[in-house]
Amino acid sequence: LAKTTQPISMDSYEGQEVNITCSHNNIATNDYITWYQQFPSQGPRFIIQGYKTKVTNEVASLFIPADRKSSTLSLPRVSLSDTAVYYCLVPFNQGGKLIFGQGTELSVKP
Amino acid sequence: GAGVSQSPRYKVAKRGQDVALRCDPISGHVSLFWYQQALGQGPEFLTYFQNEAQLDKSGLPSDRFFAERPEGSVSTLKIQRTQQEDSAVYLCASSSLGHKNTGELFFGEGSRLTVL
Repeated sequence: LAKTTQPISMDSYEGQEVNITCSHNNIATNDYITWYQQFPSQGPRFIIQGYKTKVTNEVASLFIPADRKSSTLSLPRVSLSDTAVYYCLVPFNQGGKLIFGQGTELSVKP
Repeated sequence: GAGVSQSPRYKVAKRGQDVALRCDPISGHVSLFWYQQALGQGPEFLTYFQNEAQLDKSGLPSDRFFAERPEGSVSTLKIQRTQQEDSAVYLCASSSLGHKNTGELFFGEGSRLTVL
């Protein structure tokens, strides 16, 4: 099963770079890794998705090593508004069932 | 509409009542998911549709939970004889991709159910 493991919580300060690592030891060959952000009282929101090496968009970067057993979401220069829960997902048995873990609660302080 | 719409946003039910939660996915999206999210927890998978076919319902917690998507668009999650442990936010998500679904899920704001 493609189970994910993330730190439960992280603290940071405004302007810092934050790196959140997710372990997914049993990831399947064709699985993509996707990260979501969730604010209180809202549904999760897609941040970034990748398969290997590095992907960058306007809000984050995603680093995936060659063995693909982990991935790291990098948020550059966080602000207070980045305080949220961050989830990494991999498909479950490639059947379309996407399982959320506990997520990482990021707290950004002034 | 432009996004996934869920209704009602808030529902209070007395224990034993039946409730129905509606999800309007993004037009043309093939896949539709339902998740249950308890306070302080990550979303828990309930069921998954591809068009009108319910491909996976392994996450439905009991036979009191039933979901349908008869025309491959709007979906309804029905909970019969609600119990207090059913209190949660019910999230609906849709995706333009099909079976392997490596794409982006678009979530609604959720329906918060409180069972008294």
